[in-house]
Amino acid sequence: EVQLVESGGVVVQPGGSLRLSCAASGFTFDDYTMHWVRQAPGKGLEWVSLISWDGGSTYYADSVKGRFTISRDNSKNSLYLQMNSLRTEDTALYYCATSSRGRYYFDYWGQGTLVTVSS
Amino acid sequence: QSALTQPASVSGSPGQSITISCTGTSSDVGGYNYVSWYQQHPGKAPKLMIYDVSNRPSGVSNRFSGSKSGNTASLTISGLQAEDEADYYCSSYTSSRDWVFGGGTKLTVL
Repeated sequence: EVQLVESGGVVVQPGGSLRLSCAASGFTFDDYTMHWVRQAPGKGLEWVSLISWDGGSTYYADSVKGRFTISRDNSKNSLYLQMNSLRTEDTALYYCATSSRGRYYFDYWGQGTLVTVSS
Repeated sequence: QSALTQPASVSGSPGQSITISCTGTSSDVGGYNYVSWYQQHPGKAPKLMIYDVSNRPSGVSNRFSGSKSGNTASLTISGLQAEDEADYYCSSYTSSRDWVFGGGTKLTVL
């Protein structure tokens, strides 16, 4: 059974930093592209970032470019999101999600971890 | 990248059919057959319902179907059931090499 478990969400002040993690199990992790997708409270979904199966390619939404860094460790079946220069508008539930290689949809989703940016 | 346009809400009675539209541009919905649809129940993670415009993942009921015409994609749910009540989001890959979602549609089963 595919499992994605996010962690690391906390309350942080504007301008602060945070690192989210996503632990994957139940599938061959390095067969999949991985994404972060976020959802502000009561709002819709917003794609944040992608990393290819080998970590060689990364892409970011304009809203986070230059502030967030996505990475993965295939030996630990783990995905990460380093978040710097956080803003109040980054407050959201952050989901990790999978895409099969060469596919353009999100197969499986974790339950999310909540990041709150507030003074 | 602007969000795709979905109706805020739709409703239907059990057994009826409903359709949710998702309008984008030639840079996303109209330019690629990479439209997908997600169902989200309150407090739960999104679940993939349709991918590549009209394909259903294994395990998704055949009451769910998708289509596309020009810059507008559609999700149709036939034989509405109480358990279909949820939020639905469309998504498309874009020419900017990113993804855009619709604002979401709340489906109410009367």
